[in-house]
Amino acid sequence: AQSVTQLGSHVSVSEGALVLLRCNYSSSVPPYLFWYVQYPNQGLQLLLKYTTGATLVKGINGFEAEFKKSETSFHLTKPSAHMSDAAEYFCAVETQGGSEKLVFGKGTKLTVNP
Amino acid sequence: GAVVSQHPSRVICKSGTSVKIECRSLDFQATTMFWYRQFPKQSLMLMATSNEGSKATYEQGVEKDKFLINHASLTLSTLTVTSAHPEDSSFYICSARVGLSGSPLHFGNGTRLTVT
Repeated sequence: AQSVTQLGSHVSVSEGALVLLRCNYSSSVPPYLFWYVQYPNQGLQLLLKYTTGATLVKGINGFEAEFKKSETSFHLTKPSAHMSDAAEYFCAVETQGGSEKLVFGKGTKLTVNP
Repeated sequence: GAVVSQHPSRVICKSGTSVKIECRSLDFQATTMFWYRQFPKQSLMLMATSNEGSKATYEQGVEKDKFLINHASLTLSTLTVTSAHPEDSSFYICSARVGLSGSPLHFGNGTRLTVT
């Protein structure tokens, strides 16, 4: 069964600094990988996804993530944090050819300090 | 595109009553919708997968008789929390997929249920 581990339940950065949110997955077959963002009392919004092809994936709001099979990782980065990036971020995995269910990590709350 | 509308956004009910939450796909047809529950400061827990025209598939540990799911059309799925108790208070989020496996889920804005 697949699982997702997000290292760090809270990450705090200064405005303009690099954002790095870590995600490692466990899957017996190649996975589909997603990053979602959640603002308070709202649903989730897709940031980016990896299915096949290029391992560096660019998403909305300047975020990108790189799929590294050897490290079973899919870390999310943004070169320069903005105050509006403060939110909860979830990494999710779906097994190819599986049940089509998405398994979510526990989330990382990003705080951006002025 | 791919907008999922969820209503109500907030509901307060008394213990023992039932609450219905609606999830609609506004600009696409969703053969499959997913219902999640989110506890404070925690991740999303999949409750059930709702398939249009058939019975929902519940995850292990989710009470089918308490959380009734109906997917009557390609654009509407409902979750009814029956005989609600304070421990059912939570944030419930629906989602729908456009396309096949690997395509992203589109989420509603969630429903905050408080049972008094």
